[in-house]
Amino acid sequence: DAGVIQSPRHEVTEMGQEVTLRCKPISGHDYLFWYRQTMMRGLELLIYFNNNVPIDDSGMPEDRFSAKMPNASFSTLKIQPSEPRDSAVYFCASSSQGGGTYGYTFGSGTRLTVV
Amino acid sequence: AQSVAQPEDQVNVAEGNPLTVKCTYSVSGNPYLFWYVQYPNRGLQFLLKYITGDNLVKGSYGFEAEFNKSQTSFHLKKPSALVSDSALYFCAVRDYYGGATNKLIFGTGTLLAVQP
Repeated sequence: DAGVIQSPRHEVTEMGQEVTLRCKPISGHDYLFWYRQTMMRGLELLIYFNNNVPIDDSGMPEDRFSAKMPNASFSTLKIQPSEPRDSAVYFCASSSQGGGTYGYTFGSGTRLTVV
Repeated sequence: AQSVAQPEDQVNVAEGNPLTVKCTYSVSGNPYLFWYVQYPNRGLQFLLKYITGDNLVKGSYGFEAEFNKSQTSFHLKKPSALVSDSALYFCAVRDYYGGATNKLIFGTGTLLAVQP
């Protein structure tokens, strides 16, 4: 398996533009997590899905952020409109049932810069 | 609420010396504890976990962690550090909310710097 695949690796966009981050979890994993990492706030859980259904979105910072998982092999995190303070590295992770027992597999992340 | 604390932002150690990266936890119920490592420009990688059983857990790359219930600690250790161990290390605990969840709560991370 190629692991968790995120695209793009880097994204530079202007303030006010829409940004879409993509994630392909490991086949067979039924949990998917979106995290954001910054120097100031560390690693923050934004939202997670189980069997494509959002379970906890309490970490989504604002209505500008939305996430979807239309099927078991694909998820998106969208920011509209983007702001400079959204600049961060966004990670996607997946795990199997009992993932809290066996750990997550993380993607390599998308480094977002909003100018 | 479940939480973990990593009291050191950075740990410096000479190559060949033993290393310890500290983590303390606060949980209700039985703790499920984890260590992850993050190399530059990479995602986090699973190192090891404690669920139950032996208090000394062995993981990847020669790392091990000792679970200490009385001190509520889960320190990461390695007998002999390598320069290639230099990375950011995260401790994590499984969250509980009315019951066990699959959500992990991460610490703030500790930067390990191994000098040659």
